[in-house]
Amino acid sequence: DAGVIQSPRHEVTEMGQEVTLRCKPISGHNSLFWYRQTMMRGLELLIYFNNNVPIDDSGMPEDRFSAKMPNASFSTLKIQPSEPRDSAVYFCASSTLKGGLFLGETQYFGPGTRLLVL
Amino acid sequence: AQKVTQAQTEISVVEKEDVTLDCVYETRDTTYYLFWYKQPPSGELVFLIRRNSFDEQNEISGRYSWNFQKSTSSFNFTITASQVVDSAVYFCALTGGGGFKTIFGAGTRLFVKA
Repeated sequence: DAGVIQSPRHEVTEMGQEVTLRCKPISGHNSLFWYRQTMMRGLELLIYFNNNVPIDDSGMPEDRFSAKMPNASFSTLKIQPSEPRDSAVYFCASSTLKGGLFLGETQYFGPGTRLLVL
Repeated sequence: AQKVTQAQTEISVVEKEDVTLDCVYETRDTTYYLFWYKQPPSGELVFLIRRNSFDEQNEISGRYSWNFQKSTSSFNFTITASQVVDSAVYFCALTGGGGFKTIFGAGTRLFVKA
């Protein structure tokens, strides 16, 4: 079975440009997470979806960041406008939530998108 | 508040040595879940183990073993007879019961020299 798929794997852009990161979760998983990894702050949860609905976006740094999940097999994380401090590795992860309860299910991570904003 | 502390920033060992990576956690939940992930130089995060708070049995998987002790709030990870391929950053993580937010430790970078 395919794991979590992320694209692009690398993105280099200039400050002020719009960046869109894409994620396809593992088939059958109903929870999706976006994380950001930096040297300074480590791994941070940005937003969490369950059954395509955003449940908690308290980790989204500011209004320049937005995330959508139009269906169970696709999610996007958009940064507009991008800034150099957004440079990081962005991970998408998916898991299952059974019976309406999150029982500490394992999150499976995609390969990440390495973003560099010049 | 929940917290995961991996006090060892970097560890360097010679191949075939045993090495233990420490993880100490803080939570007020009675039900919680602990995880270890490996991040090799290629960058992906690889799931290694999941343990719930009611299961204090130690676990062994090949050269890997995990020691969970609630009394000291620790979930340590030991690699026996380390190999160069074990070189990676290892993350310990905690999810509180009923919640979804997983808190990751800062990671321990392990270098295994041939």
